[in-house]
Amino acid sequence: GEDVEQSLFLSVREGDSSVINCTYTDSSSTYLYWYKQEPGAGLQLLTYIFSNMDMKQDQRLTVLLNKKDKHLSLRIADTQTGDSAIYFCAESLSDAGNMLTFGGGTRLMVKP
Amino acid sequence: GAGVSQSPSNKVTEKGKDVELRCDPISGHTALYWYRQSLGQGLEFLIYFQGNSAPDKSGLPSDRFSAERTGGSVSTLTIQRTQQEDSAVYLCASSLNEKDRGNTGELFFGEGSRLTVL
Repeated sequence: GEDVEQSLFLSVREGDSSVINCTYTDSSSTYLYWYKQEPGAGLQLLTYIFSNMDMKQDQRLTVLLNKKDKHLSLRIADTQTGDSAIYFCAESLSDAGNMLTFGGGTRLMVKP
Repeated sequence: GAGVSQSPSNKVTEKGKDVELRCDPISGHTALYWYRQSLGQGLEFLIYFQGNSAPDKSGLPSDRFSAERTGGSVSTLTIQRTQQEDSAVYLCASSLNEKDRGNTGELFFGEGSRLTVL
């Protein structure tokens, strides 16, 4: 089956940049997503990138996509304590409607 | 409603009892998904519905798990004879039909139902 992999944990200092990495397996994914989960809450879409794009920037967020290596990254500039959360990478399966396969999540801890 | 609504938000039950979890998707969303998140784990896909039918039930962990959706809206996930390993947060999500124009495939999640089996 498909696997989406992420590192488990990242710790940064407030004001630094955070980079969360993800590898996926389905080369025919149409969209790739980053979701954010704050403590005790459901997941919220943070940003997404269409598979024919290499980069997408949205305020403090930059998504980079390397299709050849099936590698996706999320960069958060000027990381704030409010960015502390679990970040999930997800890919859409080409033959399963909108069903998403999620990675295990990266817990981002931002130290003041 | 404005978002995906799940109930109960918390459920504590004894081993061997049956539980029912409910999901009310965003109005007009034809696709509905159930995921499970165990403590410290990622999201495990359970089942998804397109309308009232479930094209993919492959993620259901055992025959103790079943789900249905009626009227293309509310869905219930039923766990029979609960076991301690069923303890997790059960997340429901909904989305527009894949063929709708401009659909980016975003899933909208509820806040989950936390199940604790003693």
